[in-house]
Amino acid sequence: QKEVEQNSGPLSVPEGAIASLNCTYSDRGSQSFFWYRQYSGKSPELIMSIYSNGDKEDGRFTAQLNKASQYVSLLIRDSQPSDSATYLCAGGFYGGATNKLIFGTGTLLAVQP
Amino acid sequence: EAGVAQSPRYKIIEKRQSVAFWCNPISGHATLYWYQQILGQGPKLLIQFQNNGVVDDSQLPKDRFSAERLKGVDSTLKIQPAKLEDSAVYLCASSSRTSSKNIQYFGAGTRLSVL
Repeated sequence: QKEVEQNSGPLSVPEGAIASLNCTYSDRGSQSFFWYRQYSGKSPELIMSIYSNGDKEDGRFTAQLNKASQYVSLLIRDSQPSDSATYLCAGGFYGGATNKLIFGTGTLLAVQP
Repeated sequence: EAGVAQSPRYKIIEKRQSVAFWCNPISGHATLYWYQQILGQGPKLLIQFQNNGVVDDSQLPKDRFSAERLKGVDSTLKIQPAKLEDSAVYLCASSSRTSSKNIQYFGAGTRLSVL
């Protein structure tokens, strides 16, 4: 059973701080990972994708992947109240024509002004 | 570029009734997905289409759920008869190719309440 696990939170950080969101996965066959942001009542929106070990930075967001430890993280620098949302981690699994995303349950982030 | 369109946005039905959801993917996207997202959980894949063929429907409750994608563009997802536990948001997503760097784009979803 392929699984992606996240702490459901809520994770509360003060405005301007660094928010650190973590995710682990069970299947070493996963080839890519995605972080989606989901505001309450809205659809998931892609924030970051990462495919190889190491760090990937995009503006205030940094995704980190460690395939040996089966661990993915998302850092949000200079957190803003507008970052308050649920962050979904997803692992991509591919085989033939199948291209499946397995989502975690999401971590609720609350940025306090 | 227009995004993934879904309708209706909300639907309330009684148990044992039937319901249908519609999705129009991003133009040119060959792959279409239907997900079920129960409150407090991440989206769960129900079915994946590549053009008008089913690639993966392993988690679709086939005794009550059905989906089709005629002509490889629009898709409909149907539930008949609905159960209380089907209350969820049904998300449609599309992507342009099947590869390890594929990105899926989501529609706004249909929120279903079964009473």
